Amino acid sequence: NAGVTQTPKFRVLKTGQSMTLLCAQDMNHEYMYWYRQDPGMGLRLIHYSVGEGTTAKGEVPDGYNVSRLKKQNFLLGLESAAPSQTSVYFCASRTPGRASYEQYFGPGTRLTVT
Amino acid sequence: DQQVKQNSPSLSVQEGRISILNCDYTNSMFDYFLWYKKYPAEGPTFLISISSIKDKNEDGRFTVFLNKSAKHLSLHIVPSQPGDSAVYFCAADITQGGSEKLVFGKGTKLTVNP
Repeated sequence: NAGVTQTPKFRVLKTGQSMTLLCAQDMNHEYMYWYRQDPGMGLRLIHYSVGEGTTAKGEVPDGYNVSRLKKQNFLLGLESAAPSQTSVYFCASRTPGRASYEQYFGPGTRLTVT
Repeated sequence: DQQVKQNSPSLSVQEGRISILNCDYTNSMFDYFLWYKKYPAEGPTFLISISSIKDKNEDGRFTVFLNKSAKHLSLHIVPSQPGDSAVYFCAADITQGGSEKLVFGKGTKLTVNP
């Protein structure tokens, strides 16, 4: 099993450009999450999904859009990148319910917006 | 408003000694707590967790203690090893509106010196 994978690993964008980050998981997890990590800020939830075709806003959703067309994929889009979106982005997934609370994380995408 | 607080940004200990990482929370609705470990350029990995109905959970060298009345938890690593050097995130699980999310602290960077 590959677990949670993220594409790309690194990207440099100019202000105003758009891009999509792809997250894929092969664990058949219902829930998927997008976080950003900034120095001294911990992990902050951007958007999440509790199942195919569903999405919801997290703590810092502004400037991002998401889609969950397939259960195994969760896409994060930046329509018009801003320098404030320079960050490391992590995707995570988990199975719902009380059997396991653990979220499994991908390796991250380092994005720089100039 | 930060609901999960890790007030020590960094901690340095000698190999073989005990490492104690602390975490405080404000929301009494949190019912499950997790610790994640993160190495540079990698995604966070799950370390250990504890339910709010327990006060201690142990897994090898790692023990998590929960004091609900004080809204405080701590992670003990005994004995500490150089390979434990990483950033440790405390996280709390909350169920809202039928979805389950984690709220993370800002992390504590642990350095174990040989």
